[in-house]
Amino acid sequence: NAGVMQNPRHLVRRRGQEARLRCSPMKGHSHVYWYRQLPEEGLKFMVYLQKENIIDESGMPKERFSAEFPKEGPSILRIQQVVRGDSAAYFCASSPTGDAGELFFGEGSRLTVL
Amino acid sequence: EDQVTQSPEALRLQEGESSSLNCSYTVSGLRGLFWYRQDPGKGPEFLFTLYSAGEEKEKERLKATLTKKESFLHITAPKPEDSATYLCAVNGVGGFKTIFGAGTRLFVKA
Repeated sequence: NAGVMQNPRHLVRRRGQEARLRCSPMKGHSHVYWYRQLPEEGLKFMVYLQKENIIDESGMPKERFSAEFPKEGPSILRIQQVVRGDSAAYFCASSPTGDAGELFFGEGSRLTVL
Repeated sequence: EDQVTQSPEALRLQEGESSSLNCSYTVSGLRGLFWYRQDPGKGPEFLFTLYSAGEEKEKERLKATLTKKESFLHITAPKPEDSATYLCAVNGVGGFKTIFGAGTRLFVKA
């Protein structure tokens, strides 16, 4: 029973490039949450998605950031024209229901912007 | 706006020295308060959910309690393998997101 799978685990981009982070939720889970964690800080909510729908994107910057969770395939967090301040660990979590109870987290994708 | 504050930021204990971590929260209608453990370079791992004041949950050397404004994570006779960052989080009515505190980094020395 595979857990939440995130890839890549580590990603290095130069300023101005695009970063794509992928998340496959646990089997049977249709609710996906993305969080960002800066060094020595807590997890900051970015976006909550269900299959083919964005439910709450209140934590996501209005520009350069987008997320999707298509009917088939993983959820993707896309960051366009990356800047140094985007360097962080990005965690995906999934849950079987939308009541935001226990969240099952992946190991994270660590983005470094040079 | 929902908010979670954890203290202390860091806690250093000797093996066997019991202590408590604090989580103060403000939320409009608590649906659940959660404790997670995070090891360096890893994703958070779920520990407990508490739903109402007076509720307590236990797991090995950990015990979580809840009041109307705070939650405590009590660690009894800790071992070095308990060293980790402990995260507190809340979910309130009217929202879909779980809000996390900054965490308490626990170091247990043998």
